[in-house]
Amino acid sequence: NAGVTQTPKFQVLKTGQSMTLQCAQDMNHEYMSWYRQDPGMGLRLIHYSVGAGITDQGEVPNGYNVSRSTTEDFPLRLLSAAPSQTSVYFCASSPSGSSGELFFGEGSRLTVL
Amino acid sequence: DQQVKQNSPSLSVQEGRISILNCDYTNSMFDYFLWYKKYPAEGPTFLISISSIKDKNEDGRFTVFLNKSAKHLSLHIVPSQPGDSAVYFCAASGVGTDKLIFGTGTRLQVFP
Repeated sequence: NAGVTQTPKFQVLKTGQSMTLQCAQDMNHEYMSWYRQDPGMGLRLIHYSVGAGITDQGEVPNGYNVSRSTTEDFPLRLLSAAPSQTSVYFCASSPSGSSGELFFGEGSRLTVL
Repeated sequence: DQQVKQNSPSLSVQEGRISILNCDYTNSMFDYFLWYKKYPAEGPTFLISISSIKDKNEDGRFTVFLNKSAKHLSLHIVPSQPGDSAVYFCAASGVGTDKLIFGTGTRLQVFP
């Protein structure tokens, strides 16, 4: 019953440091995505992928990179962290054609000092 | 430019009464609408959805209404229970895509 697993759950970075948020799903879902949640802003789409080898930008992609080498994994990379990237990050997945009925991970809280 | 808007950041309702959460959207290409529920320190979970070809969908205590001409949807919870206290997000997707755009959320508090 793993579903969508995100690691780490908490992370503190200094400005300019890099890190990768990991996301793995065991449901063989084609579609995966990353969101960030900020107060008053709701959930905003960062990047998404419709299958292995295919990624695309969402609403707020700047400062983030993604890749999708396997169906299961969809890591989110911050190359040079900024305080504006302090947020809670959620990874989600769904079968293709589900029209957005996403399964979410528990979130990763990132603080950039 | 916020394509999906929830103008009420919070709502407080007495147990047993009806909760009505509202959502507006601007993109006429959206054809599928969803509501998600989120408890603190957890990921959002899918609650109920509606296709643009319908104007109502019901699932137990939860009913979603869609008014396409007004680009407005609402979620009705009847009767409201304390366990319904959470943040509710509406979301929308377009034709042939799983890409989901969320609103800003409404925090519902149901008090005894």
